Amino acid sequence: AAGVIQSPRHLIKEKRETATLKCYPIPRHDTVYWYQQGPGQDPQFLISFYEKMQSDKGSIPDRFSAQQFSDYHSELNMSSLELGDSALYFCASSWTSGGDEQFFGPGTRLTVL
Amino acid sequence: AQSVAQPEDQVNVAEGNPLTVKCTYSVSGNPYLFWYVQYPNRGLQFLLKYITGDNLVKGSYGFEAEFNKSQTSFHLKKPSALVSDSALYFCAVSPRNTGGFKTIFGAGTRLFVKA
Repeated sequence: AAGVIQSPRHLIKEKRETATLKCYPIPRHDTVYWYQQGPGQDPQFLISFYEKMQSDKGSIPDRFSAQQFSDYHSELNMSSLELGDSALYFCASSWTSGGDEQFFGPGTRLTVL
Repeated sequence: AQSVAQPEDQVNVAEGNPLTVKCTYSVSGNPYLFWYVQYPNRGLQFLLKYITGDNLVKGSYGFEAEFNKSQTSFHLKKPSALVSDSALYFCAVSPRNTGGFKTIFGAGTRLFVKA
């Protein structure tokens, strides 16, 4: 069965650079979520999209932005990267919401040097 | 503030023994409740959820969870633990008033099952 695809799987950037993470949800899933997971920490909700519109916003820094495109894939854009942005970034998708479970991608490990 | 508490950082259990991983939450209304499992360097995998109805829900890999409204708890259980159950377990809550679009995770509980 198709799963959530994230690219790249690993990314190394310098401070103050920009990064773009991509997420391809499971086909027919119309809701996408982004999470940040620091070492030894729980996933922190960043933002979600439903039918290409932002549906909720969590602890996403102003330096980050995201969008969902017409084909339902989503991109997380991160600018002015800081050392503290180093983390595992997960994308998840679900069929609508309202209690539907989320299917998580393998994550993108971002390292900021 | 809305929060999810997993009071135990780690749970140790012998193979074949029952296991319980605790979760309590402080979220208004009747939120959706979930358990996810994470293996090293992997994304989270859905185990089970409570939406409405019977307080005991059954999920993947023989896991079940009991919802207790008065105690706002949703403890994960398994009658007989396997070594392969060793992983990081997250309790998660989605407030219904957000349409379920926002999910709050607990800090996670690491389960060690000893052979």
